[in-house]
Amino acid sequence: GAVVSQHPSRVICKSGTSVKIECRSLDFQATTMFWYRQFPKQSLMLMATSNEGSKATYEQGVEKDKFLINHASLTLSTLTVTSAHPEDSSFYICSASPGTPFLSNQPQHFGDGTRLSIL
Amino acid sequence: AQSVTQLDSHVSVSEGTPVLLRCNYSSSYSPSLFWYVQHPNKGLQLLLKYTSAATLVKGINGFEAEFKKSETSFHLTKPSAHMSDAAEYFCVVSDRVNSGYALNFGKGTSLLVTP
Repeated sequence: GAVVSQHPSRVICKSGTSVKIECRSLDFQATTMFWYRQFPKQSLMLMATSNEGSKATYEQGVEKDKFLINHASLTLSTLTVTSAHPEDSSFYICSASPGTPFLSNQPQHFGDGTRLSIL
Repeated sequence: AQSVTQLDSHVSVSEGTPVLLRCNYSSSYSPSLFWYVQHPNKGLQLLLKYTSAATLVKGINGFEAEFKKSETSFHLTKPSAHMSDAAEYFCVVSDRVNSGYALNFGKGTSLLVTP
């Protein structure tokens, strides 16, 4: 089945550091990938839609200068948390789907997530 | 926008007893609905999806869900709970975004299975 790999799984770093998270579709091409954020004991909130070869689309309230998204190829999207602060600590999860992204019934395949802790 | 409401934040069952996790949806058109499961510190795994082909949907690990338009519900059930079923469960609806469809998640239901 479709596999999405996310790396790293865990990051602990000092305040002010920039952190890059990678999301790869291992056995399919994905023109669109999604980035979610999950706070403890809460649901997933969509942060942005990553589009291969074009700018990402951010959800309301998400700072695009803080969360830089690059989707340079059909199998890789990266999320960079710039100048991270403790309030950015969270669980970040990406997802992707093979085939056209314009089908509402296409399930998403999720990475295992990245636990980011800013000290 | 399409949305889902999970009616219980926590459900506790004994091993071997039935599981019922409740979900209601709000949609202006025929929705695509999903149930995902998340084990601690892990990503999400698709259990099943409803896409209007059949109202009773069978998924993995013995789970199934029934789409009831009259009740706007999509409850998840399993006849007999197993210890390994303990996890967080999300009811999800597909929603249109600029580049296609993204997923709107319910708040989740934490399933506890006791021996």
